[in-house]
Amino acid sequence: QKEVEQNSGPLSVPEGAIASLNCTYSDRVSQSFFWYRQYSGKSPELIMSIYSNGDKEDGRFTAQLNKASQYVSLLIRDSQPSDSATYLCAVNPPYSGAGSYQLTFGKGTKLSVIP
Amino acid sequence: KAGVTQTPRYLIKTRGQQVTLSCSPISGHRSVSWYQQTPGQGLQFLFEYFSETQRNKGNFPGRFSGRQFSNSRSEMNVSTLELGDSALYLCASSADGGMGYTFGSGTRLTVV
Repeated sequence: QKEVEQNSGPLSVPEGAIASLNCTYSDRVSQSFFWYRQYSGKSPELIMSIYSNGDKEDGRFTAQLNKASQYVSLLIRDSQPSDSATYLCAVNPPYSGAGSYQLTFGKGTKLSVIP
Repeated sequence: KAGVTQTPRYLIKTRGQQVTLSCSPISGHRSVSWYQQTPGQGLQFLFEYFSETQRNKGNFPGRFSGRQFSNSRSEMNVSTLELGDSALYLCASSADGGMGYTFGSGTRLTVV
């Protein structure tokens, strides 16, 4: 059973601080990694994708990937109350079939940014 | 650019009935996936279609089925509804699934 694990939280950080969200995955040959943000009552929104080891930055967001440790993280700098949401880690293993994609999601970490 | 459109937004059905949900992907997106989201299980993959062909199926009973039309629009059907089928059903589309999926707003199904 391929798994994606996240700390369910809630993770509370003060406004302006760095929020660090972590994710581990069990399938060593996974190729693509995504972070989705889901506000309460809304659908998931893709905010970051990462495919190779290292860091990828987009505005206040930085995704970090370490394939040897099977670990993905998301850093949110200068956290704002509007960042309060559930963050879902998703992994795309290559075994889904030629050209086919089957994202496996973690259950999400609930982030609360306190003003 | 229009997003992924799902209809209806809300449905209430009785046990034993069947239901059909509809999804219109982003223009140009040929890959459409369906997910079920519940508080206990999170997001679980149902199936993925590309050019009218089901390429992948998750671990759900045969009561769950789907199809994709030539214009990439997709439908999923659940027959003989059970109380446990109450969930948010999400459709997502992608030009290339490896680059990530865009989700629709979902259909909230309640089975009573």
